[in-house]
Amino acid sequence: DGGITQSPKYLFRKEGQNVTLSCEQNLNHDAMYWYRQDPGQGLRLIYYSQIVNDFQKGDIAEGYSVSREKKESFPLTVTSAQKNPTAFYLCASSKDTDSNQPQHFGDGTRLSIL
Amino acid sequence: AQSVSQHNHHVILSEAASLELGCNYSYGGTVNLFWYVQYPGQHLQLLLKYFSGDPLVKGIKGFEAEFIKSKFSFNLRKPSVQWSDTAEYFCAVNPDTGRRALTFGSGTRLQVQP
Repeated sequence: DGGITQSPKYLFRKEGQNVTLSCEQNLNHDAMYWYRQDPGQGLRLIYYSQIVNDFQKGDIAEGYSVSREKKESFPLTVTSAQKNPTAFYLCASSKDTDSNQPQHFGDGTRLSIL
Repeated sequence: AQSVSQHNHHVILSEAASLELGCNYSYGGTVNLFWYVQYPGQHLQLLLKYFSGDPLVKGIKGFEAEFIKSKFSFNLRKPSVQWSDTAEYFCAVNPDTGRRALTFGSGTRLQVQP
């Protein structure tokens, strides 16, 4: 079955440490997205990529970085500059960047600070 | 920048009651509108979407939504809820121009009591 795989499901970070969240899709989608979900705040866009080797900042990009070297993969690094990283992170993809295209979501990664 | 408001943060209903969840957005141009649902322990799934044509759209599991352009609204409805509808519901918009990424509302947690 095609879909989006996020790993790990749970991740713990020590103070001052960078961590990378994995997102892989086998849907042959061009566009990929990273969201952060906090209770009562819905989903907020961190970064998105419309095509390989290109990505754009979202609404809350500070303290995060991404790469898009392959169509299938869009890893997110939470750097030590992100002061409040504890959250649920969701990766999504869509066929292309037409605004009527729905996004497909992964199961998420829950990041906690030790 | 566009924004999405969901005024009902937590709704508790008994089975067979009717449901209406409000969604208002702020954007002056053409938008595409989505409702997503997140069942406990599951990933976000598309419930329904609107991008043109009949402003009353039907989705999965008996849900429907009505786009009222003059009110900038896209309310979700279901005539008779079931216990299995217990979930969190998110409204999202994607404008036809500019940034091609979803902006989500803060979500509404629906609890259906048997």
